[in-house]
Amino acid sequence: DAMVIQNPRYQVTQFGKPVTLSCSQTLNHNVMYWYQQKSSQAPKLLFHYYDKDFNNEADTPDNFQSRRPNTSFCFLDIRSPGLGDAAMYLCATSRPTGTHSNQPQHFGDGTRLSIL
Amino acid sequence: AQKVTQAQTEISVVEKEDVTLDCVYETRDTTYYLFWYKQPPSGELVFLIRRNSFDEQNEISGRYSWNFQKSTSSFNFTITASQVVDSAVYFCALSGPSYNTDKLIFGTGTRLQVFP
Repeated sequence: DAMVIQNPRYQVTQFGKPVTLSCSQTLNHNVMYWYQQKSSQAPKLLFHYYDKDFNNEADTPDNFQSRRPNTSFCFLDIRSPGLGDAAMYLCATSRPTGTHSNQPQHFGDGTRLSIL
Repeated sequence: AQKVTQAQTEISVVEKEDVTLDCVYETRDTTYYLFWYKQPPSGELVFLIRRNSFDEQNEISGRYSWNFQKSTSSFNFTITASQVVDSAVYFCALSGPSYNTDKLIFGTGTRLQVFP
């Protein structure tokens, strides 16, 4: 089945140790999104890619970076994780039609990140 | 500015009861899209419905129904004869018109607990 896959499901890292979360998709969607969701809160958009064009949200900390080497894969890099970065990280994709007809986003299962 | 308000933080019902989840939105766009997503305990966000601002018809899908009223800027979601499997956090979301992105503004979510 076509889907959005996030690995790993659970990630533990040490305070200050760089960590990379991965997302892959078989939907061939040209937009990929990364969200941060803290406990009992709504998902918060960090950034998104439209094809290779990177779009950062204004309030996303510099500590968060992203790479999209090809259509199928997108990575979230946290350069120096702090305790406040412990959260669920959700990847999503969509395929805008270019006709003002906003399409649903398709989400992965998420990666729950813990910081020791 | 765009905003989505889900005033109900948590709702508890007993199986077979009907339950309505409220969603109120704010936007200056004349064209916009409204969504509902379900987030079960496993964490993934599951798309339920999309509605555009020009379509005020109510929609029914099995036990789910949605009531969109532009006059009150509301997009409420009703589950009829609730079941334990309906237990989840439900997010209402808003998206403005765009050619190359489907960015979402999420509400804070309503946690629904259905008890046997």
